[in-house]
Amino acid sequence: GAVVSQHPSWVICKSGTSVKIECRSLDFQATTMFWYRQFPKQSLMLMATSNEGSKATYEQGVEKDKFLINHASLTLSTLTVTSAHPEDSSFYICSAASSAGIQYFGAGTRLSVL
Amino acid sequence: ELKVEQNPLFLSMQEGKNYTIYCNYSTTSDRLYWYRQDPGKSLESLFVLLSNGAVKQEGRLMASLDTKARLSTLHITAAVHDLSATYFCAVGPPNFGNEKLTFGTGTRLTIIP
Repeated sequence: GAVVSQHPSWVICKSGTSVKIECRSLDFQATTMFWYRQFPKQSLMLMATSNEGSKATYEQGVEKDKFLINHASLTLSTLTVTSAHPEDSSFYICSAASSAGIQYFGAGTRLSVL
Repeated sequence: ELKVEQNPLFLSMQEGKNYTIYCNYSTTSDRLYWYRQDPGKSLESLFVLLSNGAVKQEGRLMASLDTKARLSTLHITAAVHDLSATYFCAVGPPNFGNEKLTFGTGTRLTIIP
């Protein structure tokens, strides 16, 4: 199956710093990528839809200025958590949609903000 | 707004037993996905169901879709410990092309030896 690489897998940072997470589709082009957030023992919540070459579409309640998304190419989307605070600690998962509409998920990034 | 509900939320069962997890959704859709998540890991795709009456089987797991009832089931046959995980269903919107998925609450399954 298709492979989506997400990097880093785990990051610990100090409060107030910014963290960038990368999501790459390795063997297919993805015009659309998705960013999810998952708190412990909860389901996945969609944060935003990332479209190549255009602005991301954010879900209600997600701060655009805090979670910056860039989808500069058909194989790469990045999520930057700006001025991270402890409440931003979570498991972030990206996915990339194939031309057939199937979503393939990255391995996830565990963010811990001290 | 599309809502997806899974039942049960938690399930503990002995090895060798059978059980069914249910996934109900609130609006018309003909695309339903089942995923498995192990602790600390991302999602593993299990099944993609794209039409009414679709049935797919892989090992001890079988998934089905009834779009008229807006219901999908994940049936576990003769459970083994390796199946312990959290299972999510996810539903796509009716207009194919917008791939946004709405996830169910998840079912945490524990298989007891």
